[in-house]
Amino acid sequence: DQQVKQNSPSLSVQEGRISILNCDYTNSMFDYFLWYKKYPAEGPTFLISISSIKDKNEDGRFTVFLNKSAKHLSLHIVPSQPGDSAVYFCAASLYGGATNKLIFGTGTLLAVQP
Amino acid sequence: NAGVMQNPRHLVRRRGQEARLRCSPMKGHSHVYWYRQLPEEGLKFMVYLQKENIIDESGMPKERFSAEFPKEGPSILRIQQVVRGDSAAYFCASSPLQTAYEQYFGPGTRLTVT
Repeated sequence: DQQVKQNSPSLSVQEGRISILNCDYTNSMFDYFLWYKKYPAEGPTFLISISSIKDKNEDGRFTVFLNKSAKHLSLHIVPSQPGDSAVYFCAASLYGGATNKLIFGTGTLLAVQP
Repeated sequence: NAGVMQNPRHLVRRRGQEARLRCSPMKGHSHVYWYRQLPEEGLKFMVYLQKENIIDESGMPKERFSAEFPKEGPSILRIQQVVRGDSAAYFCASSPLQTAYEQYFGPGTRLTVT
């Protein structure tokens, strides 16, 4: 039962252009969503989060959009840089309940071409 | 301000041996989480602990796996009688009390069972 899905295993983008990574979820009770970036042989690095009561959160080059009716979120990276090349995971949380566990998608490998 | 620390970074065990993975959370963080990433998969939640308490172990296999977070010292994930299927990357994350939905990950321990 995959509650968080990233349907694109990979994405290739030219340097300077926009990268859009997508994520879908099935559980309407999720109340926080997070994006992590991961390089090989390293731990995930927290990028940005959004509460379910918002529809947009921005931090520098990174913007996350949440569409609750469609159960869909996306991460926009503008402009994309070669150093952004990594695997990106979206994650959802049931914060406020008995547990703060994160449920992760399977990841999207982003390649930014110079 | 040191991040989440995990040791060892790499661990090789023969089938039937015990594996002990250690995690020191970020300073000031009182919540610890363990996740496992199998090859070609996303991260899967295993257990969530606060000091001296297991809050949620719903992702932990019922046998051979245990976790603790004592009053003093690091959190320990213990795997008894390892099998080849336990080979994976094990990540520890921590969070502060006030923003517990944002979790910060360590570099991981890569366990190989031969």
